[in-house]
Amino acid sequence: TQLLEQSPQFLSIQEGENLTVYCNSSSVFSSLQWYRQEPGEGPVLLVTVVTGGEVKKLKRLTFQFGDARKDSSLHITAAQPGDTGLYLCAGEIGYSTLTFGKGTMLLVSP
Amino acid sequence: DTAVSQTPKYLVTQMGNDKSIKCEQNLGHDTMYWYKQDSKKFLKIMFSYNNKELIINETVPNRFSPKSPDKAHLNLHINSLELGDSAVYFCASSQIPGLGSYEQYFGPGTRLTVT
Repeated sequence: TQLLEQSPQFLSIQEGENLTVYCNSSSVFSSLQWYRQEPGEGPVLLVTVVTGGEVKKLKRLTFQFGDARKDSSLHITAAQPGDTGLYLCAGEIGYSTLTFGKGTMLLVSP
Repeated sequence: DTAVSQTPKYLVTQMGNDKSIKCEQNLGHDTMYWYKQDSKKFLKIMFSYNNKELIINETVPNRFSPKSPDKAHLNLHINSLELGDSAVYFCASSQIPGLGSYEQYFGPGTRLTVT
């Protein structure tokens, strides 16, 4: 059973378009993190959300944590080719333990 | 300065062999991890370890064993390698989590291919 479901699994868009990636679960998380992974590299943390309903912005990226702390979304405005990568959400389920979603592969074409 | 490093970057070996992957972090973190990322990019925790406790994912075969010579190193030993072990293995580290959240820093990965 997959604890965290990410959608869509793959997204191919043109530069300048907006997009939203979703991360859903039936479990409650004490925190939720979003990572981006580029080919041949390890995941790099983008943001951590802790409080239900919390919204965080990182330049053109907007992250939201659901009120019940079971889901999250990542919205990218005016996507650029440099945003291309695998986006992973990860929920903190216990002491020093993260569970990852299966990821959303984003391809932004010029 | 590399925060979390792994060696080797690529590892090609035959079934039945025993191999090790090394991991070092220079961040002063207390907890280290090993993850396996399969061909579908699913990242799954294998072990988490600090100087007090080893937490093993129950789905990990006992052919896999982490060994930590000191707080900055967590190596992964794999015995009797099988075709299904082919994947990218990531080492990561973090501080001991307190209230709220913590960040994990990942190494660049080791691509293991078993033939």
